[in-house]
Amino acid sequence: EAGVAQSPRYKIIEKRQSVAFWCNPISGHATLYWYQQILGQGPKLLIQFQNNGVVDDSQLPKDRFSAERLKGVDSTLKIQPAKLEDSAVYLCASSSLGGQGAEETQYFGPGTRLLVL
Amino acid sequence: GESVGLHLPTLSVQEGDNSIINCAYSNSASDYFIWYKQESGKGPQFIIDIRSNMDKRQGQRVTVLLNKTVKHLSLQIAATQPGDSAVYFCAENPKSSYKLIFGSGTRLLVRP
Repeated sequence: EAGVAQSPRYKIIEKRQSVAFWCNPISGHATLYWYQQILGQGPKLLIQFQNNGVVDDSQLPKDRFSAERLKGVDSTLKIQPAKLEDSAVYLCASSSLGGQGAEETQYFGPGTRLLVL
Repeated sequence: GESVGLHLPTLSVQEGDNSIINCAYSNSASDYFIWYKQESGKGPQFIIDIRSNMDKRQGQRVTVLLNKTVKHLSLQIAATQPGDSAVYFCAENPKSSYKLIFGSGTRLLVRP
């Protein structure tokens, strides 16, 4: 089966600019996650969707970050305006079951590497 | 390719030797644990998981040990191969939560 797809793979922008990332989860996966991974650290959950509803966005900096999953399939994550500290890898993951509990294996995409200058 | 984690703890092993990667988790309420492998330029890849009602689980060439008393998790890789070179993360799932909380990672280098 095809894995989680993400684009673009790399993005370089200047601070205060806007950027958007796209994710296509594994077909049929109800749950989609966006993570931020700063160099040298483990991934940190930003937002979790179940179908097209938000389950948890408690760690999403809502003053500048937004995400949507309108049709319960693809998702976009946007940063506006970007700051230097947003430089990181943005990972998308999906899992098959929609219920609570992380015991459904999360499959990760390759990530988008963002550099903010 | 880009390095994942330039300042991570590093374990260097000889090809063919066994590797042991350790992880201390923080939440005593966590009841599910996962090891992920992340190669340079790629997303994390699931390796093996274990629930808190177990203290050992084996996969193909990998074994995970869980010591709940001291909140310690380890990943053992038998007959380490060059393809095992990567950054390894443990992740914990607090009970009744849907979040995975990742540790900071360990870089494994396999010497030929």
